[in-house]
Amino acid sequence: DTEVTQTPKHLVMGMTNKKSLKCEQHMGHRAMYWYKQKAKKPPELMFVYSYEKLSINESVPSRFSPECPNSSLLNLHLHALQPEDSALYLCASSQDSLGPSNEQFFGPGTRLTVL
Amino acid sequence: GIQVEQSPPDLILQEGANSTLRCNFSDSVNNLQWFHQNPWGQLINLFYIPSGTKQNGRLSATTVATERYSLLYISSSQTTDSGVYFCAAWTGANSKLTFGKGITLSVRP
Repeated sequence: DTEVTQTPKHLVMGMTNKKSLKCEQHMGHRAMYWYKQKAKKPPELMFVYSYEKLSINESVPSRFSPECPNSSLLNLHLHALQPEDSALYLCASSQDSLGPSNEQFFGPGTRLTVL
Repeated sequence: GIQVEQSPPDLILQEGANSTLRCNFSDSVNNLQWFHQNPWGQLINLFYIPSGTKQNGRLSATTVATERYSLLYISSSQTTDSGVYFCAAWTGANSKLTFGKGITLSVRP
C-alpha cells in the first residue's frame, strides 16, 4: 500500500481562525514532509520530519506550526493566516530522509483558501 | 543547490501521438523521480529512476546520470495523460527534493 491520506480535501478559513491539516501514512516510512504549491508552480518544501523530529524548516512563518505525534501522523496547525497563504498543501512520506530509499509518495493535498 | 530544468514547458498532442519530455539537472543525483499531477492536484509517482531505463505500460523513462539528464517517453497518448509532469532530483546533500518547473501536457481527442 503506497497511500498517503490527507484531510480535509478543501478548507476555507478566515484570517483569525485556527485550523489544522492532517496527514497519515501506513507504509512504515520514517520521514514525512509538508509542501506548499501555488497555481502553475512546482511544490515548495516547508518542513521535513525524520524519525518524528523536525529536521528541516525552510524559514516558514510561525503562523504555520508542524507537529508529528507519531511516525504515521503529521499535522500542520494554521493560525492567523494571510490571503497569500491560499494554496494546495501537500504531504509526502519516504522510507527515510537521507538514505538511498527516499522515494517520496504524496497525498492528494488540501486546497486551502484564506479569506 | 542543484538546478532542475524541464523542456518543453508546454506540449499539445493529438490522441495517439508519442512524446518525449526532458529533464536536465546540474549536479550528480542520488534520486530522480517523475510525477504526473492530475487536474485535481494529486501527484502520482511515475518512476523512481536515478539511472537506467524503466518501463510501465505506455510510459518509459531513461536517466543518463553521467550526462545529467532524464527522459520520459509517452507512447500512444490518451486524454487522461493530460496534466503537468514534474521531474524532481535529490543529491543526498540534504533532505530536499528539488523540482523542475513542470511540463504541461494537453492531449486532444
